[in-house]
Amino acid sequence: GAVVSQHPSWVICKSGTSVKIECRSLDFQATTMFWYRQFPKQSLMLMATSNEGSKATYEQGVEKDKFLINHASLTLSTLTVTSAHPEDSSFYICSKLVPTYNEQFFGPGTRLTVL
Amino acid sequence: QKEVEQNSGPLSVPEGAIASLNCTYSDRGSQSFFWYRQYSGKSPELIMSIYSNGDKEDGRFTAQLNKASQYVSLLIRDSQPSDSATYLCAVADWNSGTYKYIFGTGTRLKVLA
Repeated sequence: GAVVSQHPSWVICKSGTSVKIECRSLDFQATTMFWYRQFPKQSLMLMATSNEGSKATYEQGVEKDKFLINHASLTLSTLTVTSAHPEDSSFYICSKLVPTYNEQFFGPGTRLTVL
Repeated sequence: QKEVEQNSGPLSVPEGAIASLNCTYSDRGSQSFFWYRQYSGKSPELIMSIYSNGDKEDGRFTAQLNKASQYVSLLIRDSQPSDSATYLCAVADWNSGTYKYIFGTGTRLKVLA
């Protein structure tokens, strides 16, 4: 399957700071990437769809001013959690869409802990 | 609201048995279906996609799709303890030109040695 990396794999930060998570497609170009969040023992929750060269499409209830998404190149999308609070602590996972069969391949995830 | 439903489990099967995981979806117009495996603390990995009615086999895995009944299933033959994980069913959704997956909540599978 397609290869997606995320960096960092885990991060601990203080409340009120901002954290940037990178999602890279290592093999094919990725016009469309997705950002998910997963709380313990819960299913994946789609946060937003990231499209190269255009604004991200956010799901209902996701604050676009708090979760900034930038997809400036065909291989990189970033998610910045601004003014993070403990309730933002979660597992953040990106994926990329491979158009051939419209399959999504996930990155390894980033575990964020906000103190 | 489009929905994808799975039994949360856990589904326990003995080693070597066939594990059967089921998923139903609400949108009759859905065309693309996916099964993912997620180990605890890890991200999901794609097992198989299926688009046509019938069976699709890949190694020990068989996906089955019945669009008339709106269900998709995954069979795991010769289950191994390493298959113990949560299995997520996903259905592709096209809405006003945007594309995304709708995920079920997952079925936790335990394969007992």
